[in-house]
Amino acid sequence: DTEVTQTPKHLVMGMTNKKSLKCEQHMGHRAMYWYKQKAKKPPELMFVYSYEKLSINESVPSRFSPECPNSSLLNLHLHALQPEDSALYLCASSTPRLAVYNEQFFGPGTRLTVL
Amino acid sequence: SQQGEEDPQALSIQEGENATMNCSYKTSINNLQWYRQNSGRGLVHLILIRSNEREKHSGRLRVTLDTSKKSSSLLITASRAADTASYFCAQLQGAQKLVFGQGTRLTINP
Repeated sequence: DTEVTQTPKHLVMGMTNKKSLKCEQHMGHRAMYWYKQKAKKPPELMFVYSYEKLSINESVPSRFSPECPNSSLLNLHLHALQPEDSALYLCASSTPRLAVYNEQFFGPGTRLTVL
Repeated sequence: SQQGEEDPQALSIQEGENATMNCSYKTSINNLQWYRQNSGRGLVHLILIRSNEREKHSGRLRVTLDTSKKSSSLLITASRAADTASYFCAQLQGAQKLVFGQGTRLTINP
């Protein structure tokens, strides 16, 4: 299985809602990532989990809360989002070789709209 | 910003022609990677070139790297309609952080 899956594909939420994005991979990768991508822009890194521990937080607002329950799963909990948080949220995974994290495998993304 | 620059921002060519995209980056690299993204979807890794390599091939793809100029180029030969996508170069900063260039939107006209 060489796939990264993400659910849901689309999500519409109000500013007072709480929702979660889910990501799963079964490639045995021990690094997992969340990216945010606005229209016609490149993906921007939000968080990195390495061996189920948060290793990078790119100064993301606390209304985004990541969680890595096990080596195959990655969640992004959303609370009190703003309309400007509407974007495509991408999950990725990779495996370290010689302590360097090389090519990443991406899921199809969750298209989030905040009303 | 640590993001690299890509040019052109958009490229439209006829099917069968070659497409060349360029990427410039700002800091020293371990490797440079190229990804493709079909409209509004996830990214697909195309090719990785290490800092000690100057050229790499994969099928119809050819990537070059000039570390003295901090630049790389991606050539797609004999383009097909299915090559229509956005193409991003990405540099690894440290061991884990991938920073993407602004991307080139490639359109292949039948």
